[in-house]
Amino acid sequence: KAGVTQTPRYLIKTRGQQVTLSCSPISGHRSVSWYQQTPGQGLQFLFEYFSETQRNKGNFPGRFSGRQFSNSRSEMNVSTLELGDSALYLCASSRTGVVVQTEAFFGQGTRLTVV
Amino acid sequence: AQSVTQLGSHVSVSEGALVLLRCNYSSSVPPYLFWYVQYPNQGLQLLLKYTTGATLVKGINGFEAEFKKSETSFHLTKPSAHMSDAAEYFCAVNSNTGNQFYFGTGTSLTVIP
Repeated sequence: KAGVTQTPRYLIKTRGQQVTLSCSPISGHRSVSWYQQTPGQGLQFLFEYFSETQRNKGNFPGRFSGRQFSNSRSEMNVSTLELGDSALYLCASSRTGVVVQTEAFFGQGTRLTVV
Repeated sequence: AQSVTQLGSHVSVSEGALVLLRCNYSSSVPPYLFWYVQYPNQGLQLLLKYTTGATLVKGINGFEAEFKKSETSFHLTKPSAHMSDAAEYFCAVNSNTGNQFYFGTGTSLTVIP
């Protein structure tokens, strides 16, 4: 069974640009969550999508957005990049349907560097 | 609100020694608790989880954790450290409103040969 796939693995962008990251969940998983990991702030929740609907949202500015497609694949977009957006972005997928308390399976992440 | 606190950002143990990584939680409802491990430049891998039932939970790679409600703790242990255990460990609690995890700040484990 294939795991969570995130593309690309590494990305370098210039301040002010925008970027789109992609996440393909495990087959059959309908929930996709996104996290930002930085040395200073640790792991912070961005948002969660379930069946193409945003179910939860973290405390991030509107420059961070996401979406989920009918095949459960998800993308997150960051517009007007700032130096502080440099981070490892992790995607996690879960089966979650009625029962929400379950583990998440993480991808290897996309390392975004903003210069 | 739910949160977890990991005591000790860095822990060093000798190879073969006991590993003890501490995690305390705060939750107004019964918590669902997890331990994840992260190797350099990798994502997170689930070690073990507590949802309901037995309070002593066994995970992969010889790790286990005990849920203690009276102490609001969920400490991770391993009887004998191996060099391959060197990594970053995260304690997490799952929200009750969806698939949202609250992570601790992480503990970096160093294993000394």
